[in-house]
Amino acid sequence: SSELTQDPAVSVALGQTVRITCQGDSLATPYVTWYQQKPGLAPKLVFYGKTGRPSGIPDRFSASKSGTSASLIITGAQAEDEADYYCSCRDDSRSRELFGGGTKVTVL
Amino acid sequence: QVQLEQWGAGLVKPSETLSLTCAVYGGSFSNYYWSWIRQAPGKGLEWIGEMNDSGSTNYNPSLMSRVAISVDTSKNQFTLGLTSVTAADTAVYFCARRGNERQRVTPLRFFTFHYMDVWGRGTTVIVSS
Repeated sequence: SSELTQDPAVSVALGQTVRITCQGDSLATPYVTWYQQKPGLAPKLVFYGKTGRPSGIPDRFSASKSGTSASLIITGAQAEDEADYYCSCRDDSRSRELFGGGTKVTVL
Repeated sequence: QVQLEQWGAGLVKPSETLSLTCAVYGGSFSNYYWSWIRQAPGKGLEWIGEMNDSGSTNYNPSLMSRVAISVDTSKNQFTLGLTSVTAADTAVYFCARRGNERQRVTPLRFFTFHYMDVWGRGTTVIVSS
């Protein structure tokens, strides 16, 4: 079982804002790494940490925190944002990467 | 622009060894960890392990007894070996590059974040007799 917990699915109306959350008991910081995966494709890095947005990723993607949860925010969701989103963090105590179970985002 | 090209057998018999190779094109092989991740049909991502150009490895504890990652720096390639496979190892296997960045998370605190920014296209491996 995953040690990072994500809601299985969330929907958002076109142009509205959606928050995708990731919770972990041992998160050293409430910021994580986020990947977007569309069907049949490899995951794509969309955000990491508090400020890390890779080149080519729209600025509607941002990170936030709420208590002990990390969040990926999509402000003004577009049809092309419909995908599975995975959170990830490094477990330095055991030198391993952890992935959340993924959240399916549907844009209505 | 760095690209990863991966290949290997798509069909492996139970109890045999899965072997996949990933080649790095267009960028440095040094100063990164090179990773393998898999995704079972309809499931989420599972980290398998990683190795850097110096040969330092880290493995998923749940797979550690069966997995080995090796690097050939002369060819800018790294290879995944997974022994004694079963149907549970049927998945799409991805190779990826892992980097990291130190960021200020509070006025007084920095944190290093890890990310996989370049991915291979994935190889479907089916374990079946």
